[in-house]
Amino acid sequence: GIQVEQSPPDLILQEGANSTLRCNFSDSVNNLQWFHQNPWGQLINLFYIPSGTKQNGRLSATTVATERYSLLYISSSQTTDSGVYFCAVAGANRKLTFGKGITLSVRP
Amino acid sequence: GAVVSQHPSRVICKSGTSVKIECRSLDFQATTMFWYRQFPKQSLMLMATSNEGSKATYEQGVEKDKFLINHASLTLSTLTVTSAHPEDSSFYICSASRGPSGTEAFFGQGTRLTVV
Repeated sequence: GIQVEQSPPDLILQEGANSTLRCNFSDSVNNLQWFHQNPWGQLINLFYIPSGTKQNGRLSATTVATERYSLLYISSSQTTDSGVYFCAVAGANRKLTFGKGITLSVRP
Repeated sequence: GAVVSQHPSRVICKSGTSVKIECRSLDFQATTMFWYRQFPKQSLMLMATSNEGSKATYEQGVEKDKFLINHASLTLSTLTVTSAHPEDSSFYICSASRGPSGTEAFFGQGTRLTVV
């Protein structure tokens, strides 16, 4: 199956700082999504981005499908950005494979 | 975005009993739903694919007789954990896909199961 690697595993930021989260995957994909898991476990959809670039407020994402990686950018981080960020990919069967997640802590 | 609702959000049950978890797509029809499991501080692992009107398909290592899946309508899939034991305690979460290509996944709120 498709392998997904996220880096770094942990990230500590001061409020207001910018960050880049990376997701590498091992094969071509039909779907790539970024999620934020809140403290109650809910997965919040951030981006559906199998290719290209998207922006939503302070967040943006880029996927370079030919090179099999995706980047999530967080600008002007806030304490509410803290949590676990997952990258997940799927091939034609729509079965999502998740990375191990990146734990982000934003300190005031 | 699309709404997927999961119920209950939290359940505590005694060892040996069965627990049913519901997953509903509220504003779209889903012929396929997926069930995942997450242990503390770990990632999500796919357990099974729920297919409307047919048998579920299970990932390798997942006991189909332990985790019964029923997808009786286009908006409802259920996961029943049978004869639950403490090692079944986990966070269970479902998803359904929609969007122009039918591939964007939306997740329910998850169910935290504790077996005592």
